[in-house]
Amino acid sequence: GDSVTQMEGPVTLSEEAFLTINCTYTATGYPSLFWYVQYPGEGLQLLLKATKADDKGSNKGFEATYRKETTSFHLEKGSVQVSDSAVYFCASGANNLFFGTGTRLTVIP
Amino acid sequence: GAGVSQSPSNKVTEKGKDVELRCDPISGHTALYWYRQSLGQGLEFLIYFQGNSAPDKSGLPSDRFSAERTGGSVSTLTIQRTQQEDSAVYLCASSRLATRTYTGELFFGEGSRLTVL
Repeated sequence: GDSVTQMEGPVTLSEEAFLTINCTYTATGYPSLFWYVQYPGEGLQLLLKATKADDKGSNKGFEATYRKETTSFHLEKGSVQVSDSAVYFCASGANNLFFGTGTRLTVIP
Repeated sequence: GAGVSQSPSNKVTEKGKDVELRCDPISGHTALYWYRQSLGQGLEFLIYFQGNSAPDKSGLPSDRFSAERTGGSVSTLTIQRTQQEDSAVYLCASSRLATRTYTGELFFGEGSRLTVL
């Protein structure tokens, strides 16, 4: 069945460091891929998405590219800020979404 | 309100009791989802409603769990004879567009935290 595997956390980085959170998926067919973020005390919200192979999703300085050949959708940001501290969830799906276990990111000044 | 609304926000119950959790999706959203978020377990898919189609119940963990969606809007998730392992945050989400090949952006409620003593 469909599933998502993402890098386990927690991840702690200094401000302005480079971030990568790995995500791979297994799916029948060609799912859409998403990153959702949960800031402290808030609900889950969409960060970025890609709907077909080689698409790049981007938002708030974050990027992820839909790689069909490696079934991956790794999240990257060149320079993290303290305000990026949150839990990040990778998700894959067609008519419903399957989520990874989440990766907690803490950015320290 | 404009967002997905869930109630109650917190529920403490005794083992063996039944609970009902309610979700009011964003007006006009045809798809509605229930997920369970347990500590260290990520988001576990429970059930999905799309318009008038039969719901996808493949994620429900046991027959103690059921959900319905009345009039294509409000949904109720019912857990019968609760167990301690049912303790989790139950999240509801809705989306405007969902087909067999594309899932639209999900808008999540803030969740209902269930504690079974």
